[in-house]
Amino acid sequence: GAGVSQSPRYKVAKRGQDVALRCDPISGHVSLFWYQQALGQGPEFLTYFQNEAQLDKSGLPSDRFFAERPEGSVSTLKIQRTQQEDSAVYLCASSLIAYRTNPYNEQFFGPGTRLTVL
Amino acid sequence: AQKVTQAQTEISVVEKEDVTLDCVYETRDTTYYLFWYKQPPSGELVFLIRRNSFDEQNEISGRYSWNFQKSTSSFNFTITASQVVDSAVYFCALSEGGGSARQLTFGSGTQLTVLP
Repeated sequence: GAGVSQSPRYKVAKRGQDVALRCDPISGHVSLFWYQQALGQGPEFLTYFQNEAQLDKSGLPSDRFFAERPEGSVSTLKIQRTQQEDSAVYLCASSLIAYRTNPYNEQFFGPGTRLTVL
Repeated sequence: AQKVTQAQTEISVVEKEDVTLDCVYETRDTTYYLFWYKQPPSGELVFLIRRNSFDEQNEISGRYSWNFQKSTSSFNFTITASQVVDSAVYFCALSEGGGSARQLTFGSGTQLTVLP
């Protein structure tokens, strides 16, 4: 596709359930980012991949959050034993050039997955 | 640590008015990058502009203009002759160039409403 796509767009989970959120970056983009956006706030960084390597996961709020990008393209963000405070929009972004060597390169964002934990 | 402050939570203007969105940033790095993104109701963040810390030249693109001032750590965004379609949340963001930091640090956003 032309842009970053994410699925599902909306997810409702009962507290304690596990969820998996998918991100399809723009084809050929090396860098992939996950952000969490709480209601009324700006996005906050979760984790970063360069190809299949997860180079930074400092923003993951707990060990219940896990992300992978096994083949360097599609990425999945998994949240285990969801809690109400996990309710947010989860945004995925990709950029063409390896961010470490060129952080100037703009990130292209997907539409996000709105997660609601009841 | 890097920080971005957008003090204006909400702004309402009438169509055709000019409006300026403020952004103040904090960073210890001498090399850093500033961005503005627009988030319409659909939710997708749309890239508008980027600036690096060595380029203080202001820019105009159509109805949009940006004023970058290192002396005051500000990167303000002005929309001239606003239109209803400009209604959205606007985010200022910062990325530090050195070390291991790569992620964007966003401000809390400014909700702009342009009334017809």
